[in-house]
Amino acid sequence: DAGITQSPRHKVTETGTPVTLRCHQTENHRYMYWYRQDPGHGLRLIHYSYGVKDTDKGEVSDGYSVSRSKTEDFLLTLESATSSQTSVYFCAISESRGSVTEAFFGQGTRLTVV
Amino acid sequence: AQSVAQPEDQVNVAEGNPLTVKCTYSVSGNPYLFWYVQYPNRGLQFLLKYITGDNLVKGSYGFEAEFNKSQTSFHLKKPSALVSDSALYFCAVRERGEGDYKLSFGAGTTVTVRA
Repeated sequence: DAGITQSPRHKVTETGTPVTLRCHQTENHRYMYWYRQDPGHGLRLIHYSYGVKDTDKGEVSDGYSVSRSKTEDFLLTLESATSSQTSVYFCAISESRGSVTEAFFGQGTRLTVV
Repeated sequence: AQSVAQPEDQVNVAEGNPLTVKCTYSVSGNPYLFWYVQYPNRGLQFLLKYITGDNLVKGSYGFEAEFNKSQTSFHLKKPSALVSDSALYFCAVRERGEGDYKLSFGAGTTVTVRA
């Protein structure tokens, strides 16, 4: 398995509180992604990064921010958690060195906002 | 904008029968296409990919997929399904080209293989 660690794996938080999820990789891959998975919606891209301090928005970025200060870490922050952000969050990494490579996924973080 | 459609929420087949999971895509240019599988309470596992060349690509666990440019489809197939193939399958697309590495997924298809 690719060296991707998501923390925490499970979290319950209250509405209105900030929450930070961490993705750590040991593969030195350039690209990192945060997705959320909800029934009927598949995986929807929240934010992604194409290098240290280089990030861009995905299709469902409202209410989320990210930071990447080191190649190996990509943090996802819910600025003020809402019940609609209850979901399973997946981090993914990929690289491209002259040819496309597939993305590798972490095990996911189950977040419940009460 | 790129997108992926998986028209079937569920596919049910008997063990030993052929399995097909459908996927169509939309991108501005040429696509890179992927299939992933997800088992309960697990992350996504890569199955196979189409980059260029032969339209029929082979992947893990006996799966294959056929790229059809005219129909913008990338259907996943397995000649003889196993009960252990029961899982959630996702198709994904990325547009070919530098500078954009967004990877977009379909909504997923739940495959159930009955013994």
